[in-house]
Amino acid sequence: GAGVSQTPSNKVTEKGKYVELRCDPISGHTALYWYRQSLGQGPEFLIYFQGTGAADDSGLPNDRFFAVRPEGSVSTLKIQRTERGDSAVYLCASSLNGGLRGETQYFGPGTRLLVL
Amino acid sequence: DAKTTQPNSMESNEEEPVHLPCNHSTISGTDYIHWYRQLPSQGPEYVIHGLTSNVNNRMASLAIAEDRKSSTLILHRATLRDAAVYYCILRDVLSGNKLVFGAGTILRVKS
Repeated sequence: GAGVSQTPSNKVTEKGKYVELRCDPISGHTALYWYRQSLGQGPEFLIYFQGTGAADDSGLPNDRFFAVRPEGSVSTLKIQRTERGDSAVYLCASSLNGGLRGETQYFGPGTRLLVL
Repeated sequence: DAKTTQPNSMESNEEEPVHLPCNHSTISGTDYIHWYRQLPSQGPEYVIHGLTSNVNNRMASLAIAEDRKSSTLILHRATLRDAAVYYCILRDVLSGNKLVFGAGTILRVKS
């Protein structure tokens, strides 16, 4: 079946601009996660949705970052007033229930964001 | 989340077994040991996980020390497609929704 998809695959923007990154999770998965990966480092957690609500947004670095999942499926990560330090690969993952037993997360290919 | 320590990189020959170590001396009783890997230009993918007993699946085996302070991911016959960054991650069964990645081990496979 279809895996997690992310669009666009690459995004180049200028410092100060607004960007939106989209994630389509695996159909039926109620849990959705966003991570950010800088060059040479492991992914860093940003936010976790259970259904439509953000259950854990402790990883969002500041108030320029915001994410929504209005219908409990597709999610959009929004970055305002982008800075060069926001350049990274943004990864989305989904899991079936988001349960406490540490179920498998399935990752998309990521969106590579470059802020000039 | 408890921390893990892995070597920065390892090298293996094709068709030979690979043992990837992970130290987690501060592991708690409710932490599961998970392994994910990330192939070049892709998102991470699940490999295997365990709590106390050794585990086997089609991709790999996981050997867990008796005191659970270390574990080893075993690839029985490395192929070129196994070249990736391997991450050892502890997930608390009580609060382990997010994955906390370290830098991982870069595995290079030589033909």
